[in-house]
Amino acid sequence: QAVLTQPSSLSASPGASASLTCTLRSGVNVDPYRIYWYQQKPGSPPQYLLRYKSDSDKHQGSGVPSRFSGSKDASANAGILFISGLQSEDEADYYCMLWHINAWVFGGGTKLTVL
Amino acid sequence: QVQLQESGPGLVKPSETLSLTCIVSSGSISGYHWSWIRQPPGEGLEWIGHIYYSGSTTYNPSLKSRVTISVDMSKRQFSLNLNSMTAADTAVYYCARWAPCGGDCYYLDYWGQGTLVTVSS
Repeated sequence: QAVLTQPSSLSASPGASASLTCTLRSGVNVDPYRIYWYQQKPGSPPQYLLRYKSDSDKHQGSGVPSRFSGSKDASANAGILFISGLQSEDEADYYCMLWHINAWVFGGGTKLTVL
Repeated sequence: QVQLQESGPGLVKPSETLSLTCIVSSGSISGYHWSWIRQPPGEGLEWIGHIYYSGSTTYNPSLKSRVTISVDMSKRQFSLNLNSMTAADTAVYYCARWAPCGGDCYYLDYWGQGTLVTVSS
């Protein structure tokens, strides 16, 4: 079972909000981890969005709008990327990542469609 | 503005060794960690490994037996060697820089455009 699991796709309407989840494998507790989020558009390398561990330990990428934010859902053992006020330009693949047992691990990615 | 550019063959035969180089321009190679990351066509990202400018390395355990990453400060570049290539290694290979974000926190801030490597006879 993969360390990080993301839904393969998500659709939402312009102006709406979207919550992208990154679920950690059973037995791997989300609490101590910094979860990083990247956005990738077709034909381009990923771009860093933000990192979230807690409200007191978080980092926003340079130039990343505040409508992108991170959180955790302890009950679901997941990291969350929340995007408010969806715009057509937000349509992209989103990847979560964390450092786990001496290796960087990526989730499989979520394709966000804004329509 | 830091710029990274990957270079190397676009086609590699099965069982051969892939050699890629990432040239770092408009920025210092010193003081940073540098990574190779790959992405099979239509699939997700996989971290291959990283190297500190001093030369210390950390590799993905799943690839560790086949990977070597090295750095050449004088040429402002770092390199990837991946041996025993198979079709499963067909991917876009990216080089990228790790920026510090406080304490032991790092994130990938600059990426190359990526180079597609196909493994085929």
